[in-house]
Amino acid sequence: EAGVTQFPSHSVIEKGQTVTLRCDPISGHDNLYWYRRVMGKEIKFLLHFVKESKQDESGMPNNRFLAERTGGTYSTLKVQPAELEDSGVYFCASSQSGTSAKQFFGPGTRLTVL
Amino acid sequence: GNSVTQMEGPVTLSEEAFLTINCTYTATGYPSLFWYVQYPGEGLQLLLKATKADDKGSNKGFEATYRKETTSFHLEKGSVQVSDSAVYFCALSAGNFNKFYFGSGTKLNVKP
Repeated sequence: EAGVTQFPSHSVIEKGQTVTLRCDPISGHDNLYWYRRVMGKEIKFLLHFVKESKQDESGMPNNRFLAERTGGTYSTLKVQPAELEDSGVYFCASSQSGTSAKQFFGPGTRLTVL
Repeated sequence: GNSVTQMEGPVTLSEEAFLTINCTYTATGYPSLFWYVQYPGEGLQLLLKATKADDKGSNKGFEATYRKETTSFHLEKGSVQVSDSAVYFCALSAGNFNKFYFGSGTKLNVKP
């Protein structure tokens, strides 16, 4: 069974540019989560999809971040325009339905904004 | 609110040394507690978990006990190996959809 995959693994962009991160969850997982770890600090929750609907987006830092999950399969997280403080590692996780379902994490995308 | 505090690293140990990584939490309600590990170049992997007070999670020689009275979930291993070198994250999940709250991570370096 394939795990959660993320693309790209690394991205280096300049301030003001746009970047789109992609997450492919495990097939059949309705729940999809985005997290971010900035500069060695804690991993922080960004948002949660149930199928194609945003269940909780309380962790999204500002309106420069846009997440989508069209069709309830893969998800994209767009940062436009990127700022220096957006640098960090962006993790995606997915889980099956159910409150105790185990979350499976992807390898993360390391974003560097110069 | 919910939060996790874990000891800062890096922690450097010699092979076969005893490991403790401290983790304390604050939470509303009754959270589940987890330790995740990230090996170099890989994603986060669940190491162990405990879902209620006094439960002990264990895996690969690592252990952690859910202590409600001290709001702690310290990670221990009796004899570390070089292959245990990684970043360890303490986390809790709460609420209906298992939203995770992570600590800042502790990097462990084990030298031969």
